[in-house]
Amino acid sequence: QKEVEQNSGPLSVPEGAIASLNCTYSDRGSQSFFWYRQYSGKSPELIMFIYSNGDKEDGRFTAQLNKASQYVSLLIRDSQPSDSATYLCAVNRITGAGSYQLTFGKGTKLSVIP
Amino acid sequence: DAGVIQSPRHEVTEMGQEVTLRCKPISGHDYLFWYRQTMMRGLELLIYFNNNVPIDDSGMPEDRFSAKMPNASFSTLKIQPSEPRDSAVYFCASSRPGVLGETQYFGPGTRLLVL
Repeated sequence: QKEVEQNSGPLSVPEGAIASLNCTYSDRGSQSFFWYRQYSGKSPELIMFIYSNGDKEDGRFTAQLNKASQYVSLLIRDSQPSDSATYLCAVNRITGAGSYQLTFGKGTKLSVIP
Repeated sequence: DAGVIQSPRHEVTEMGQEVTLRCKPISGHDYLFWYRQTMMRGLELLIYFNNNVPIDDSGMPEDRFSAKMPNASFSTLKIQPSEPRDSAVYFCASSRPGVLGETQYFGPGTRLLVL
């Protein structure tokens, strides 16, 4: 059973602080990693994806990947109340030509306090 | 682009009735996914298609669930007969794979309540 684990939260941070969201996965064959944001009552939307070990930055967001530790994280700098949402980690493994497995974690609920 | 389109947005039905959910993927996307989301189980992949062909339906919970993709612009997820435990939000997503993976674009979802 391939698993993606996230702390369900809620994670509360003050406005302007750094929010750190963590995700671990069990399948060492996983090849690509995604962070989705889901506002209450809405559909998931992609924030970032990362393939290689290290950091990837996009504006206020930084994704970090450590394949040896099977760990991926998302940092949100200068957190804003509009960042309050559930953040879903997703892990992908390509199993063959045209075939892959994408597994989502249950999400971490983030609350940014003004 | 209109994005992924799903209908209906809300569905309330009684146990035992047939339910059909519909999805139109983004034009040019050759992968289509059906997900179910509940508080208890999170977001679960039910089935996905590549070029209209079902690739993996191992997530389909029971024979009561079936999915079809008759052409590149339309897919259905059918539940027959429906049960209260099928109550969930059902998302359709589409993607066009890149080199090492893909970005999935989700539709707005169908909120299903089975009484």
